[in-house]
Amino acid sequence: GAVVSQHPSRVICKSGTSVKIECRSLDFQATTMFWYRQFPKQSLMLMATSNEGSKATYEQGVEKDKFLINHASLTLSTLTVTSAHPEDSSFYICSASPSSGGGYQETQYFGPGTRLLVL
Amino acid sequence: RKEVEQDPGPFNVPEGATVAFNCTYSNSASQSFFWYRQDCRKEPKLLMSVYSSGNEDGRFTAQLNRASQYISLLIRDSKLSDSATYLCVVKWGGKLIFGQGTELSVKP
Repeated sequence: GAVVSQHPSRVICKSGTSVKIECRSLDFQATTMFWYRQFPKQSLMLMATSNEGSKATYEQGVEKDKFLINHASLTLSTLTVTSAHPEDSSFYICSASPSSGGGYQETQYFGPGTRLLVL
Repeated sequence: RKEVEQDPGPFNVPEGATVAFNCTYSNSASQSFFWYRQDCRKEPKLLMSVYSSGNEDGRFTAQLNRASQYISLLIRDSKLSDSATYLCVVKWGGKLIFGQGTELSVKP
């Protein structure tokens, strides 16, 4: 089956620093990748849709200058949390859809997530 | 109003019990529907897609009623390993919209 990896799996950083999270599709190409955030006891909230070779589309209320997304290749998208603060501590999960798929039934494959703790 | 709403839970049931989860969605233009399972501190994993005709996968049965914008999941003969959070998910405009999840705890 399709595999999506994320790195790092866990990161602890000081307030004010920037953190980069990588999302890779290992055995398929993904034109589109998605970034979600999940706070404890809450559901996944879509942050942005990452499109290869173009700018990401951010959901309402998500600051694009704080959460920088780069999708430079068909297998890699990165999310950079700039000037992280304790309230950014969360579980960040990416997903990817195969480029060869199409239609509304195409499957999204999820990465294992990255736990970010900002002190 | 949330786009996808689920029973708040948690559900605590004994092994072998039958448990039903309910979900409603607000966007009538939603295109496809899923149940995902999420274990503690892990990513969500697709349990099954949901079709209007209803579909079954072993002990799991999913139903969709487009007219009432309602989705259900029935788990029969529950096992300890079924303990997890079950997420109702709706797809619209290429995006997945997640419900808040219902936690299930199956006890011996």
